[in-house]
Amino acid sequence: KQEVTQIPAALSVPEGENLVLNCSFTDSAIYNLQWFRQDPGKGLTSLLLIQSSQREQTSGRLNASLDKSSGRSTLYIAASQPGDSATYLCAVGDSGAGSYQLTFGKGTKLSVIP
Amino acid sequence: NAGVTQTPKFRVLKTGQSMTLLCAQDMNHEYMYWYRQDPGMGLRLIHYSVGEGTTAKGEVPDGYNVSRLKKQNFLLGLESAAPSQTSVYFCASSVLAGGRQFFGPGTRLTVL
Repeated sequence: KQEVTQIPAALSVPEGENLVLNCSFTDSAIYNLQWFRQDPGKGLTSLLLIQSSQREQTSGRLNASLDKSSGRSTLYIAASQPGDSATYLCAVGDSGAGSYQLTFGKGTKLSVIP
Repeated sequence: NAGVTQTPKFRVLKTGQSMTLLCAQDMNHEYMYWYRQDPGMGLRLIHYSVGEGTTAKGEVPDGYNVSRLKKQNFLLGLESAAPSQTSVYFCASSVLAGGRQFFGPGTRLTVL
């Protein structure tokens, strides 16, 4: 069974700092990997999707990398802003048994201090 | 374009009561999903649908039933609510089976 771990569980940084969020998974035979953002009391917002054949994806100040062989992904946020404060969730997509399902990590809660 | 909407936003039930959560999407997506989110557990898939008239079990399907009579709607039912079903329920949809998933705002359910 796929297991997804996100470290650290919480992170506090000053505004303007570049930061990296980590995600690891136990089964490297994945279909793809998605990063989401969740604001308090709200639903999830899709940030980036990396296919298993890709090494990275970029969207604005966000860059996600994928190293399938080592079972790791990172989300890099450049020049952090207070508006980036949220919980970031990593989800691994598997297509075993003929169906696609996401396995989520527990998230990293990010606080960006003005 | 409302995206994914969920009804109701909040609900309190007594043990043994039944209820239905409604998810609606206006993006013409084929795939729809129901998740629950519990503290310390992360999101877990309850049931999903790969198209109108189809449903399938996810990781934690016990105690729930679903129906997808119309492409835009995915209903989650609790026939006899239990305190263990206290959770936040999220609906999501996607165009493709491996595609980006778009989430609704969630329903916070408390079972007393």
